[in-house]
Amino acid sequence: TQLLEQSPQFLSIQEGENLTVYCNSSSVFSSLQWYRQEPGEGPVLLVTVVTGGEVKKLKRLTFQFGDARKDSSLHITAAQPGDTGLYLCAGAREDNFNKFYFGSGTKLNVKP
Amino acid sequence: DSGVTQTPKHLITATGQRVTLRCSPRSGDLSVYWYQQSLDQGLQFLIQYYNGEERAKGNILERFSAQQFPDLHSELNLSSLELGDSALYFCASSVGTGASTDTQYFGPGTRLTVL
Repeated sequence: TQLLEQSPQFLSIQEGENLTVYCNSSSVFSSLQWYRQEPGEGPVLLVTVVTGGEVKKLKRLTFQFGDARKDSSLHITAAQPGDTGLYLCAGAREDNFNKFYFGSGTKLNVKP
Repeated sequence: DSGVTQTPKHLITATGQRVTLRCSPRSGDLSVYWYQQSLDQGLQFLIQYYNGEERAKGNILERFSAQQFPDLHSELNLSSLELGDSALYFCASSVGTGASTDTQYFGPGTRLTVL
């Protein structure tokens, strides 16, 4: 069982649609990060959220950290084919900064 | 290009063998992290070094070991290899000590195939 569970696992949508990816845990995290990974490459950091309830926007991407710091969401507005990739949430638990966990991942495919 | 380099890009070897993966961090970064990515386990944190010292340990097997040298490059040694060790191995680097708040820059990975 993964410490960070992401849903959905796979998402295939048409260009222009909106979508939300969820990242959930039963543990409290000191912060959560979202990464995007393209095939054959390493993950690239998109955002870090630190405060419970925090909302961050990056162009068409909106990231939210849950009030209890156990969950996060990524919302994409008007998805484009360039958004295609594997989205990963990641973080360290508040009671153990020394171990870093990645979520199970959401594979997004945006069709033109 | 993240500025993190990893060699080799691909490695094919047999069960029972030993291999060494190499990572050079971005200029100025003191932390190096190693990760294993497989289809069934996803991306798993193995170990972190900061300025030559082991900083944090994840799900690293006893058959695996790592070190960070004075010039800050790092090596991950995998021994007594098993079929299940076949995976993508990523190295990442960051300026500071905190994986949860620092920006980690990932290298392109080494694809290890154990036959």
